[in-house]
Amino acid sequence: QKEVEQNSGPLSVPEGAIASLNCTYSDRGSQSFFWYRQYSGKSPELIMSIYSNGDKEDGRFTAQLNKASQYVSLLIRDSQPSDSATYLCAAEAGSTLGRLYFGRGTQLTVWP
Amino acid sequence: KAGVTQTPRYLIKTRGQQVTLSCSPISGHRSVSWYQQTPGQGLQFLFEYFSETQRNKGNFPGRFSGRQFSNSRSEMNVSTLELGDSALYLCASSHAGETDTQYFGPGTRLTVL
Repeated sequence: QKEVEQNSGPLSVPEGAIASLNCTYSDRGSQSFFWYRQYSGKSPELIMSIYSNGDKEDGRFTAQLNKASQYVSLLIRDSQPSDSATYLCAAEAGSTLGRLYFGRGTQLTVWP
Repeated sequence: KAGVTQTPRYLIKTRGQQVTLSCSPISGHRSVSWYQQTPGQGLQFLFEYFSETQRNKGNFPGRFSGRQFSNSRSEMNVSTLELGDSALYLCASSHAGETDTQYFGPGTRLTVL
């Protein structure tokens, strides 16, 4: 059973702090990885994608990928209350087109 | 560019009925994937369509089916509804290129009574 595991949380950080979200995956064939944000009652919204080992930065968000350790992370700098949501890590299924494996999500609360 | 649209947004059905959900992908996207999201199981893959063909299917019973039309719009059908089918049904579209980035629609909230 191919899986994506996330630190279950919930995670609570003060406004302005760095929030760190982590994820591991089991399918060594996965090449593409994604972070989605899901507000309560809404659908997942793509934040970042990452395909190569190392860091990828987009504004306040930095995704990190280590394929040898099968580890993906997301850092949110200068966290804002509007960042409060559930963050879903997803890995492309290496052998199955059109399929993403999702973690159960980490609920993040940023308090003012 | 318009995003992924799904209709209807909310549905209430009773056990034993059937339901059809619709998804229109982002213009130019040819792949449509369907997922079921429940509090207990998270996001589970149902199936994926590309160029009117089902390429992959998840671990769901045969009561769950789908199809894709020539304009890439997709429908999924659930027959003989069970209480456990209550969920948020999400479709996601992608170019189906190398990176396969999927963009989600707003979802259809199905409640089975």
